[in-house]
Amino acid sequence: AQSVSQHNHHVILSEAASLELGCNYSYGGTVNLFWYVQYPGQHLQLLLKYFSGDPLVKGIKGFEAEFIKSKFSFNLRKPSVQWSDTAEYFCAVTLVGLNSGYSTLTFGKGTMLLVSP
Amino acid sequence: DAGVTQSPTHLIKTRGQQVTLRCSPISGHKSVSWYQQVLGQGPQFIFQYYEKEERGRGNFPDRFSARQFPNYSSELNVNALLLGDSALYLCASSFGQGESTDTQYFGPGTRLTVL
Repeated sequence: AQSVSQHNHHVILSEAASLELGCNYSYGGTVNLFWYVQYPGQHLQLLLKYFSGDPLVKGIKGFEAEFIKSKFSFNLRKPSVQWSDTAEYFCAVTLVGLNSGYSTLTFGKGTMLLVSP
Repeated sequence: DAGVTQSPTHLIKTRGQQVTLRCSPISGHKSVSWYQQVLGQGPQFIFQYYEKEERGRGNFPDRFSARQFPNYSSELNVNALLLGDSALYLCASSFGQGESTDTQYFGPGTRLTVL
């Protein structure tokens, strides 16, 4: 079965610091990749997604992620974080080409990001 | 546009009881998926429905069941509740047409506490 690993459970940064959250998946076939974010008291929101094409994907609020197929990775980045980026971040994958006709998300355990002002 | 809505927001039950959670998808979405999120973990897939048919089921016991109605809303039922069923139950909706481009959007969840 496929799995998703997020390297850090907790990350603490100061405002204006750069962010990189790691995500690796274990599946040798074609995948779709997602980052979701959960702000305090809010529901899971889609941050960005990769289906195909340019491996560098830009999302909302200045976030971007790079798909590196050879490393089975989809790391999330932001050049300069803000206090409002404090949230829990989840990486997720769906498998493509299983002929099941549907896709389900497999999530990592999440990374809690705390940005201090 | 309204997003995915879920009810109730919070629920407290005792062991052995039964619970029904409800979900209304985004207008135009025909697929609903249910996930369980326990503290400190990412959401885990329970069910997916499309056009009232079950498309997939995760590794959950038969105490868990679901259905989808003609208006694409959905219910998740859990029988004989155990303490370990305490979790946030998330509903997600999508167009459901093709695995290659389907994107799921989540509701706020129902927090279930089993005492």
